Amino acid sequence: GAGVSQSPSNKVTEKGKDVELRCDPISGHTALYWYRQRLGQGLEFLIYFQGNSAPDKSGLPSDRFSAERTGESVSTLTIQRTQQEDSAVYLCASAPSWGLKNIQYFGAGTRLSVL
Amino acid sequence: DQQVKQNSPSLSVQEGRISILNCDYTNSMFDYFLWYKKYPAEGPTFLISISSIKDKNEDGRFTVFLNKSAKHLSLHIVPSQPGDSAVYFCAASEAGGGADGLTFGKGTHLIIQP
Repeated sequence: GAGVSQSPSNKVTEKGKDVELRCDPISGHTALYWYRQRLGQGLEFLIYFQGNSAPDKSGLPSDRFSAERTGESVSTLTIQRTQQEDSAVYLCASAPSWGLKNIQYFGAGTRLSVL
Repeated sequence: DQQVKQNSPSLSVQEGRISILNCDYTNSMFDYFLWYKKYPAEGPTFLISISSIKDKNEDGRFTVFLNKSAKHLSLHIVPSQPGDSAVYFCAASEAGGGADGLTFGKGTHLIIQP
């Protein structure tokens, strides 16, 4: 497909379990971003990648959150020992490059529900 | 603290009329502003943007106005159409552009009444 793809689209998990969310950016896009949207809130920036590296991880909510990117392509966001407050829609976006005023293209998101 | 504020959670406008969505920001380092549109169960899609060196940018039915001294921007949709019903997010970035994440407002749900 031509757009940003995220999987799964929905994930229900039990408190304390680990989850892994996947993002396939638009081919050739070097910049990749993760956001979180809680119910009734705006999008909250979590982390971005320039190629395969993430220069600034300070936006991640806690040390239970981690993200990686390989081959300047697929990225995974991992949440360990999930808590109910982690319930949100997790959105991934990609852009052609970084350091410029590039438009970010979003996927449809993964809706995470922690019971 | 919220750096980008959309104070109207929802707005109802009659089809054919003008829709005006407002956005205020507090960070004077923001120099690029974007509007995104979001339908249910879909990701946000880019609508229109404006650089801080401009005060107006127009694209078809959509116009964004920027008032830097007031730290305020607005999106005008004329004429409003039923397909415009969606949640609209205002977003901003600091000098340096897309390297950092965008800062989003909470969104305004626009409802176009037939």
